[in-house]
Amino acid sequence: EPEVTQTPSHQVTQMGQEVILRCVPISNHLYFYWYRQILGQKVEFLVSFYNNEISEKSEIFDDQFSVERPDGSNFTLKIRSTKLEDSAMYFCASSLQAATRSFGPGTRLLVL
Amino acid sequence: GENVEQHPSTLSVQEGDSAVIKCTYSDSASNYFPWYKQELGKRPQLIIDIRSNVGEKKDQRIAVTLNKTAKHFSLHITETQPEDSAVYFCAASVDSSYKLIFGSGTRLLVRP
Repeated sequence: EPEVTQTPSHQVTQMGQEVILRCVPISNHLYFYWYRQILGQKVEFLVSFYNNEISEKSEIFDDQFSVERPDGSNFTLKIRSTKLEDSAMYFCASSLQAATRSFGPGTRLLVL
Repeated sequence: GENVEQHPSTLSVQEGDSAVIKCTYSDSASNYFPWYKQELGKRPQLIIDIRSNVGEKKDQRIAVTLNKTAKHFSLHITETQPEDSAVYFCAASVDSSYKLIFGSGTRLLVRP
């Protein structure tokens, strides 16, 4: 069964640095998402992407965040200037319809 | 916006007993309610979902019930096994929206 993949699995960065988290959604899926989960807390919606544009975003997704689908397979999340509070597990997800989402394994981001 | 409350935060049951986890939601327009199981350090995995045109759905030992009038839905696990131990998240969304809002999670421990 196809799965969403994410790289890297872990990323450590210094505060103020830019990071790019990468995702390869399931190939025939049309909707792409990023979620984050701070340790021990709930999964939080960041942004959804459909038809090459952001379709919806949360209040967490401020100007420091951006998403891109640079080619037909990758979907990236960029954090321009990381803050300590950005430390979390970041999950990419994709879906064929705007409902059932398949999640990737996550990237654990640690900002020092 | 939508808010999803989940109870209890932790649940400990004896192997073979049943477990029930309850969620309430605030947006009456929500019509899609998935449940995810998340094992430690792993991705959330969809275990069952229900749409608002259905009151109950069952898949082997797992069932979900939905009360649209009261705006609550529940996960029922029967004949629990140690491998059911995980964190369970409920979620809600409106089909026309891309945002999936998660509950705070229930840590289920099944004692052998």
